[in-house]
Amino acid sequence: AQKVTQAQTEISVVEKEDVTLDCVYETRDTTYYLFWYKQPPSGELVFLIRRNSFDEQNEISGRYSWNFQKSTSSFNFTITASQVVDSAVYFCALSEANNQGGKLIFGQGTELSVKP
Amino acid sequence: ETGVTQTPRHLVMGMTNKKSLKCEQHLGHNAMYWYKQSAKKPLELMFVYSLEERVENNSVPSRFSPECPNSSHLFLHLHTLQPEDSALYLCASSQLPTAPQTQYFGPGTRLLVL
Repeated sequence: AQKVTQAQTEISVVEKEDVTLDCVYETRDTTYYLFWYKQPPSGELVFLIRRNSFDEQNEISGRYSWNFQKSTSSFNFTITASQVVDSAVYFCALSEANNQGGKLIFGQGTELSVKP
Repeated sequence: ETGVTQTPRHLVMGMTNKKSLKCEQHLGHNAMYWYKQSAKKPLELMFVYSLEERVENNSVPSRFSPECPNSSHLFLHLHTLQPEDSALYLCASSQLPTAPQTQYFGPGTRLLVL
């Protein structure tokens, strides 16, 4: 079965703090893709990153970094030196390579609030 | 225009009205999706169109009727909706079957049914 769990429903931090958003996934496929999306109050889901199951190399993009660990089926997202503009709902998602229609399985989302 | 656009951005309708949501993608993709996002709930996939053919319909009530006239346009026709249908409706597109099939989303239509 496919499943994505984001156990943190809401997180509140003060500006400049580091924050990590957790994502745990379940899949029986050996080839799959993991995604993170950001949904600001305006509503649009903004694509942040995609990783495939064969590439466990961690990635850094500015203040954002992602830690992919197949051993624990986790794909965690860290924001360093958070800013008020980072306030949004963040979704982790899974897509199996052989699924028809490119179906994405989304987690419940984590609402991040960064206070000045 | 770039990316995925949706119109209208906001819509208020009565239960007896008929309205349509429009989505247009400018990314050259061949698949389009409708999602529903209710308050405090995860995204629910409603419909998937690949090469203008519907490939998935997730038990969506018949009061929602999708239409995909070409690979760039997707409509969601609404009639006799219920108040519980009030939600954010998101459209997305991707390129199938080429993995990894990243979906790109539009800004959504916020629908309120009175």
